[in-house]
Amino acid sequence: KQEVTQIPAALSVPEGENLVLNCSFTDSAIYNLQWFRQDPGKGLTSLLLIQSSQREQTSGRLNASLDKSSGRSTLYIAASQPGDSATYLCAVRRGDFGNEKLTFGTGTRLTIIP
Amino acid sequence: DTGVSQDPRHKITKRGQNVTFRCDPISEHNRLYWYRQTLGQGPEFLTYFQNEAQLEKSRLLSDRFSAERPKGSFSTLEIQRTEQGDSAMYLCASSYRILRDRIRGTQYFGPGTRLLVL
Repeated sequence: KQEVTQIPAALSVPEGENLVLNCSFTDSAIYNLQWFRQDPGKGLTSLLLIQSSQREQTSGRLNASLDKSSGRSTLYIAASQPGDSATYLCAVRRGDFGNEKLTFGTGTRLTIIP
Repeated sequence: DTGVSQDPRHKITKRGQNVTFRCDPISEHNRLYWYRQTLGQGPEFLTYFQNEAQLEKSRLLSDRFSAERPKGSFSTLEIQRTEQGDSAMYLCASSYRILRDRIRGTQYFGPGTRLLVL
């Protein structure tokens, strides 16, 4: 059974700092990995999707890396802003054909201090 | 706005009542997913559809839960005889699968329906 872990559970950093969020998964047979952002009481916003054959994806100030063999992904946020405050979730999708479900971690709650 | 929409956004009900939620996916998306999220946890998969066919159901989806997607467009999730443990955020997502191509895209989520069972 796939298990996804995100450490730390909460993180506070001053505005302007660069930061890294971590995600680990137990079964390396994944098809892709997604990073999401969730604001309090809201739905999920997709940030980045990395296919299993890729090592990283970038969007603006965000960079996600994937090391499938070691079961790890990181989300790097450059020059953090107060608007980045949210919970960040990673989710993996299994590699076998037809398996569609995402398995989520419990998230890292990020607070950017102005 | 062409994103995933869900209705209602909030629902308060008494234990034992039935509730129904609706999800409208992004119009060209042929796959639709339901997830449930409790406080402080990540979403948990419930079920998914390709067009009108329900292809997978989680063991979390007890016989009090039923989901439909008539005509392969919007979907409904019904919970019968609600229990306090059903209180959660119910999230819907959709994606587009390119036939004859194993590329599967990003799942786009709606704003969720928050259910409180008293």
